[in-house]
Amino acid sequence: DAKTTQPPSMDCAEGRAANLPCNHSTISGNEYVYWYRQIHSQGPQYIIHGLKNNETNEMASLIITEDRKSSTLILPHATLRDTAVYYCIVRVSYSGGGADGLTFGKGTHLIIQP
Amino acid sequence: NAGVTQTPKFQVLKTGQSMTLQCAQDMNHEYMSWYRQDPGMGLRLIHYSVGAGITDQGEVPNGYNVSRSTTEDFPLRLLSAAPSQTSVYFCASRRGYGYTFGSGTRLTVV
Repeated sequence: DAKTTQPPSMDCAEGRAANLPCNHSTISGNEYVYWYRQIHSQGPQYIIHGLKNNETNEMASLIITEDRKSSTLILPHATLRDTAVYYCIVRVSYSGGGADGLTFGKGTHLIIQP
Repeated sequence: NAGVTQTPKFQVLKTGQSMTLQCAQDMNHEYMSWYRQDPGMGLRLIHYSVGAGITDQGEVPNGYNVSRSTTEDFPLRLLSAAPSQTSVYFCASRRGYGYTFGSGTRLTVV
């Protein structure tokens, strides 16, 4: 699986959009970008994933650059409850076989300021 | 619908003791996995299972055993606990793309 690079920490004001970047310059054509978050030592929570098109769900939006070497997770209206460590993970499609499971880096600690 | 249930939530072991961390899911998920998380680090994969009767090793399998006799349960066994196994352990399951994680077991080995 491709390696990802994320800033160790970020601040965002409550009510503003939080934009979390992720670099994955060695991503392969069959690898997806996944985002999870972990709130204060709870189990990680799945947020969103995508291959090459931008994706949006009720939690967030995922913007993937055209060359797929980087992506941005957007929380449109951040609240204090969004304070968490956010993990960007790149891996092959689960339907492609191979080992299961996820490879986590250290993630970005997002702090929402009141 | 309870999701992924881990027991116990906290455990203190003496070096050399053995124990089993329990993980159960009620979502009929095929895939299950175990992770450990050390302070300030991301999660690391210990073992995973792609279905009942099938398990495989992850990144850090040494000192741990698993079995998957049913779809619902995926216990993690520590054979002879060592202080280096002090960590928070998370179990997860999935059917589609997104994993559902349990709330974790905080294990201290003294």
